[in-house]
Parts: sequence; C-alpha cells; structure tokens
Amino acid sequence: AQSVSQHNHHVILSEAASLELGCNYSYGGTVNLFWYVQYPGQHLQLLLKYFSGDPLVKGTKGFEAEFIKSKFSFNLRKPSVQWSDTAEYFCAVMGGGSYIPTFGRGTSLIVHP
Amino acid sequence: KAGVTQTPRYLIKTRGQQVTLSCSPISGHRSVSWYQQTPGQGLQFLFEYFSETQRNKGNFPGRFSGRQFSNSRSEMNVSTLELGDSALYLCASSRSQTDYGYTFGSGTRLTVV
Repeated sequence: AQSVSQHNHHVILSEAASLELGCNYSYGGTVNLFWYVQYPGQHLQLLLKYFSGDPLVKGTKGFEAEFIKSKFSFNLRKPSVQWSDTAEYFCAVMGGGSYIPTFGRGTSLIVHP
Repeated sequence: KAGVTQTPRYLIKTRGQQVTLSCSPISGHRSVSWYQQTPGQGLQFLFEYFSETQRNKGNFPGRFSGRQFSNSRSEMNVSTLELGDSALYLCASSRSQTDYGYTFGSGTRLTVV
C-alpha cells in the first residue's frame, strides 16, 4: 500500500515569508498528485493537482508545487505568504491503478500578521 | 451550484448506539467517497460508491457500512459505536472515478460519549 508523508506537522511563519511544505510518497509508478487546503471553519478544497506534463503546477492564490519523480516528492511552495493562508494543508497521491487518493496527515500552517 | 451537503453537522451519541450520516453530492456527480478525519490519523478512507455500487473499501471494521441511492445520495452507518469512532466524517464527490479531484462537504462531527 502506498503511503504519503508530510514531514512538517506545524509551520509558523510571518507574513511575507516564503513557504515550502514537504510531501513524499512511496509508490514508484505513475501517480496523480494533489494538494488540498482546509481553512479554519471551512471544508477541504482542492488547491492544485498534477496528472502529467509540466512538473511545475500552479494553483490558486500564488501557490505552486513541483513534482520531482526521482525524489518521490510533490512539495508545495509560495514565495510570500499572507495571514489568510493560515490553514491546514494536505497532500494526496493516487496511483497503482487505484482511483482512491491516499492523504498525508496534514501540515498546520499559521501565518502571523 | 450547490456544494456537497452533509447532514447532520454535529451529532452526539453514546457507546453502543448506531448512527446514520447523509451526503448529497453535487448535482451530476456520481461518485461518492467517505473519509474519517481525526487529529492523530488524518484522513482515512472508508469507502467509495459509484452508481449505487461500492467500488472500494478501506480498512475499517464491518460496523462501518454505507450505501448509495439512485439519485447518487449516499449514507453511511456505524453500528455499535465506540469512543474511538469520534471523528469528523467527510463526504467527497466527483463526476466519475476518473474525474480526479474531489469536492468535499463540510463534514459531520460525531462525538461518542
């Protein structure tokens, strides 16, 4: 069974700082990759996804993620965070012929104004 | 368009009781998946339904069951509740199994006392 690791459980940043959240997965075959975000009091929302093509994926609100196949990674980045980015971020991986994504345990991001 | 609707939003039950949770997917979405979210385990996959058929099932005991109706609405049932069943239960829908990227509901917060 594949697994997804998000190494940073809690991240605290000041506004304008750069962000990188790590995501590593175990499956070595073809994968589809996702980042979801859950803002306080809101439901999980899809932030961005990778299926194929350009390994650098751009999402909403200035977020991007890079798929590095050799490192089994799909890290989420933002050059300058805002207070409104405070949320929990989940990485998810779908692969091995399964249509069911496996989620990481999430990273809680707090951005101080 | 209306999002994924889950009812009830909050539920308190005692050990040994059973509970039924409901999920109405986005109109036109035929695939419904259920997840259990807890602080310690993150999102754990319960089951996935498509066209009234359970297509995938996670590693949960038989006390957890579900079904999907012809209008794609889905219910999940937990019998003989245990304290450890306290969690946020999330429903997610998509147009089909190959339409990657879920739309999540706000969840049902179940507390077992």
